[in-house]
Amino acid sequence: QQPVQSPQAVILREGEDAVINCSSSKALYSVHWYRQKHGEAPVFLMILLKGGEQKGHDKISASFNEKKQQSSLYLTASQLSYSGTYFCGTEQLAGNMLTFGGGTRLMVKP
Amino acid sequence: SAVISQKPSRDICQRGTSLTIQCQVDSQVTMMFWYRQQPGQSLTLIATANQGSEATYESGFVIDKFPISRPNLTFSTLTVSNMSPEDSSIYLCSVEDPRSPVPRNYGYTFGSGTRLTVV
Repeated sequence: QQPVQSPQAVILREGEDAVINCSSSKALYSVHWYRQKHGEAPVFLMILLKGGEQKGHDKISASFNEKKQQSSLYLTASQLSYSGTYFCGTEQLAGNMLTFGGGTRLMVKP
Repeated sequence: SAVISQKPSRDICQRGTSLTIQCQVDSQVTMMFWYRQQPGQSLTLIATANQGSEATYESGFVIDKFPISRPNLTFSTLTVSNMSPEDSSIYLCSVEDPRSPVPRNYGYTFGSGTRLTVV
């Protein structure tokens, strides 16, 4: 079953923060986050494994609450280059297929 | 991470014909995944291709419509058969980073996609 992402779209000014949420109705082994720019392939951002953890690099970080089967992606001090569609992908078992959420369109304006 | 060469990048095809999409990976990978992405939509898994065995198809996708070959650990093809306008979409192949699963810090790499238009 497809994970649910929210919001569906968000518009930011440069320097503002955003949070994108991903929720699943099933127990998860991992949550992936990808960013896709228009006309390009999705690009891997980070993976979070069960056990509940938080990861981050630069100004993009994410958390995974295993008990709630939820993950959040945090974008701080957004830059124009952050624009694109963000997808979470969930994995129920290690090495199993990824099921992607509906995506969140993020637009950062000057 | 793995580098995937996907061909063709786009094509316009007549209904009733077939198109074969190729993906070449620069390293050996166990599984290759084929996705379909309608414009502005999410990615839907079509099938998983393992070398030496038949592909595993997801609900709503059948082998007669989307035959897949996986002759070795670096190459796979997806054919879209007897096309109709409803098959117009972007098709992407994907592999798990060969550095995974230990430690599992790497995600999946995608080919650049094939934009298919059926007229």
